[in-house]
Amino acid sequence: TQLLEQSPQFLSIQEGENLTVYCNSSSVFSSLQWYRQEPGEGPVLLVTVVTGGEVKKLKRLTFQFGDARKDSSLHITAAQPGDTGLYLCARGGSYIPTFGRGTSLIVHP
Amino acid sequence: DTGVSQDPRHKITKRGQNVTFRCDPISEHNRLYWYRQTLGQGPEFLTYFQNEAQLEKSRLLSDRFSAERPKGSFSTLEIQRTEQGDSAMYLCASSPGARNQPQHFGDGTRLSIL
Repeated sequence: TQLLEQSPQFLSIQEGENLTVYCNSSSVFSSLQWYRQEPGEGPVLLVTVVTGGEVKKLKRLTFQFGDARKDSSLHITAAQPGDTGLYLCARGGSYIPTFGRGTSLIVHP
Repeated sequence: DTGVSQDPRHKITKRGQNVTFRCDPISEHNRLYWYRQTLGQGPEFLTYFQNEAQLEKSRLLSDRFSAERPKGSFSTLEIQRTEQGDSAMYLCASSPGARNQPQHFGDGTRLSIL
């Protein structure tokens, strides 16, 4: 059972478009991590958010943690084919992170 | 950069056979995790170790699955009497000891049961 809801499940866009993916839960996170996973590889950590309302930027990626710490979003500006992959959010706050199902992103050149 | 390494990368076997996977974590990390991932899903927790102690096991880990970390370094995951439903990517991750520390994943072992 996935306790984290990620949406959309699939996203197929053209290079240069902007997109936002979401991670939601009915309960409060003490922290949340975003990972990207490319086919045939393990997930790679992008960012950890801890404080409600926090915004972090990583080049063209902007991560936001909701004020109530129950949701988070990832916005990609001017997507590139290299952004293609599975974007996973994971609930922190314990020694065993819980992962969402992920958003599978394909960026077409 | 010595990240988490897993061996083998791929394993194809017939139903009913036993398989064993190995994970070598980042050397200074004392926590080691095993996950299973199927197509269209995020990683599902199987078990984790702090040093050599196995601290928690998921309900997903049936009696056919066993994991060890004998010296608190590398770990093995064995599946006995494999079934079709065991086909998946098996991921290993390690992290330092504190809470909220991010996990560093290996590239997984893809298991296919014929």
